[in-house]
Amino acid sequence: NAGVMQNPRHLVRRRGQEARLRCSPMKGHSHVYWYRQLPEEGLKFMVYLQKENIIDESGMPKERFSAEFPKEGPSILRIQQVVRGDSAAYFCASSPVEGSNYGYTFGSGTRLTVV
Amino acid sequence: LAKTTQPISMDSYEGQEVNITCSHNNIATNDYITWYQQFPSQGPRFIIQGYKTKVTNEVASLFIPADRKSSTLSLPRVSLSDTAVYYCLVGDIDFNKFYFGSGTKLNVKP
Repeated sequence: NAGVMQNPRHLVRRRGQEARLRCSPMKGHSHVYWYRQLPEEGLKFMVYLQKENIIDESGMPKERFSAEFPKEGPSILRIQQVVRGDSAAYFCASSPVEGSNYGYTFGSGTRLTVV
Repeated sequence: LAKTTQPISMDSYEGQEVNITCSHNNIATNDYITWYQQFPSQGPRFIIQGYKTKVTNEVASLFIPADRKSSTLSLPRVSLSDTAVYYCLVGDIDFNKFYFGSGTKLNVKP
C-alpha cells in the first residue's frame, strides 16, 4: 500500500499560469481532503471531497481555485491565474470513511512556488 | 469549532521525557483530542487520540483531565528524530475539517 501519493512534489509556475496538483488516495479510501500550509504556519482546511462530489469547500477561495475527485483517477486541485500569494505547500489527506480520525493519512505535499 | 493553544516552541535533550500541553477551553461534549506530528517537508502523521483520562500507545501517552479543557502529550525518552512540529487538534469524530493551529516546534538537542 503506497499511501497517499501527491504529485508533483515541487511545482514552479509564473504569475498568471495554471497549477494542477494531483492526489491519489490510499487504496480503499474514498474521502479526500486538501489543506494549504504557508511557511511557519499550521495547515488550513480547503476542501473535502468524495468520489464525484464536493462535500465541503468552505475553506477554498471562491475565485481561481477548484477541486474535483472524479470516479476514476486522482483528485485534482486546480489554481488558475496563480499569484505570488498562492505559494505554499498543499497537502492532501484521505480516509476510508467520513470523520475517521484514525484513518486520516496525509501525503507528502506539493510545494508550489509562484515566480 | 474549538480552537487550541499550544506553546510555540520547546527545547529538550535526548533521553528526556517531553510533555506538551494544549489548552482547549471551548471543547464540546462530542469532541475528541488528536495529536499529529509533522517533520519538515512532510505531511502530518497521526500520533494519538483520546476523549478522556489517559491513552497510551507505542509512541506516546495522552493525558486528559476530567474537565477536558486541556490535554498533555507525553513523549518518553525523546531522540533527535523526534524534532518536529506537534499539533493538537480538537473536533467531533464526524468533523471533517481539522483546525491545526501553529503547533509546537520541539527541538531535541544531543
